[in-house]
Amino acid sequence: DAGITQSPRHKVTETGTPVTLRCHQTENHRYMYWYRQDPGHGLRLIHYSYGVKDTDKGEVSDGYSVSRSKTEDFLLTLESATSSQTSVYFCAISVAGGYNEQFFGPGTRLTVL
Amino acid sequence: EDQVTQSPEALRLQEGESSSLNCSYTVSGLRGLFWYRQDPGKGPEFLFTLYSAGEEKEKERLKATLTKKESFLHITAPKPEDSATYLCAVQANTGNQFYFGTGTSLTVIP
Repeated sequence: DAGITQSPRHKVTETGTPVTLRCHQTENHRYMYWYRQDPGHGLRLIHYSYGVKDTDKGEVSDGYSVSRSKTEDFLLTLESATSSQTSVYFCAISVAGGYNEQFFGPGTRLTVL
Repeated sequence: EDQVTQSPEALRLQEGESSSLNCSYTVSGLRGLFWYRQDPGKGPEFLFTLYSAGEEKEKERLKATLTKKESFLHITAPKPEDSATYLCAVQANTGNQFYFGTGTSLTVIP
């Protein structure tokens, strides 16, 4: 257990509304990641962070923004949710400087109607 | 382009029937290959990291091996509790991004 929690665990929202998902870790790891998981695509990286206020884009970053004001929290925001953003979102941390195995949270299931 | 392909997509085994899952990859330079297990409704659970061709790792009934182009996850005498989706990911030595395959869904029948 890497001490990762995600909130909310489930959310249903409407197209055009803003949504923020939270990832919280208890062990002060520097690297944190946001992925989405969809059938037929596997896990795809949205954004990642390598420290407070240090973030970078992944392969599917369009329509998403992130913020990290504290080491323990990494927020993912959908500024204006669309149905194509219906997915399961996973947060992950890396315990060894970003170059080794990642450990995942329990996920957030988001439905955009 | 870095890519990961897993096969088969789904596998049904009788309890005790050994088999292997395949993960083939193309990456500019491999930093590491990772195997995960994912149960329905849960996050992926880390199993193994392999770094170089010829390396092997074992855990209970699972054994992971690595060549220059693919990795195998061998399951020996599986039990129903081994039923899950097994994911493979690679990390290139040009960055720290992981590239995941779409997984193999394993069902072990009692």
